[in-house]
Amino acid sequence: LAKTTQPISMDSYEGQEVNITCSHNNIATNDYITWYQQFPSQGPRFIIQGYKTKVTNEVASLFIPADRKSSTLSLPRVSLSDTAVYYCLVSSYNTDKLIFGTGTRLQVFP
Amino acid sequence: DSGVTQTPKHLITATGQRVTLRCSPRSGDLSVYWYQQSLDQGLQFLIQYYNGEERAKGNILERFSAQQFPDLHSELNLSSLELGDSALYFCASSVVDRASGYGYTFGSGTRLTVV
Repeated sequence: LAKTTQPISMDSYEGQEVNITCSHNNIATNDYITWYQQFPSQGPRFIIQGYKTKVTNEVASLFIPADRKSSTLSLPRVSLSDTAVYYCLVSSYNTDKLIFGTGTRLQVFP
Repeated sequence: DSGVTQTPKHLITATGQRVTLRCSPRSGDLSVYWYQQSLDQGLQFLIQYYNGEERAKGNILERFSAQQFPDLHSELNLSSLELGDSALYFCASSVVDRASGYGYTFGSGTRLTVV
């Protein structure tokens, strides 16, 4: 499994765009990049998944450069309710289990 | 509501005791995954079952065991409990026996406190 590295914590203010970058230098050809969000005392929740270029849904955008060695989760106009831990995971459809790293703790201030 | 049901939500017990945590997967999901999350260790994968069979094992202690029943619900048994076992225990489910990432749905967890 490709190891991921992401910042331990980030601070932002309401209304700003937040970009969280994840490094995955050893990503394999069959690997996808998935981001989960976890609020305190709740289970992680799927946010977005991508393979290359850009993916957008109603919650976030995921940018993946051509070499796929990193990815950036973009949260537009964050609110206080976006305060959570964000996990970047790399896995393929043959991966038997998801391994979560330490994640990025995002704190949004008013 | 994610569709994955975990009971009980909270559990307080003494050292040396045994407890059972229960997980009902989302309707149609055949795989159940158990994770432990403590303050200093993050989310640790424990074990996976698919349609009643053990499929993958993580850092699960010998004092812990799990099983998946014919109705697909799963139980995680923790015995000879120690203070360090205090944590949030999450169950996740998916349709297939592979992680993929997309089809993982987590429950709201059981908070275990060992005193």
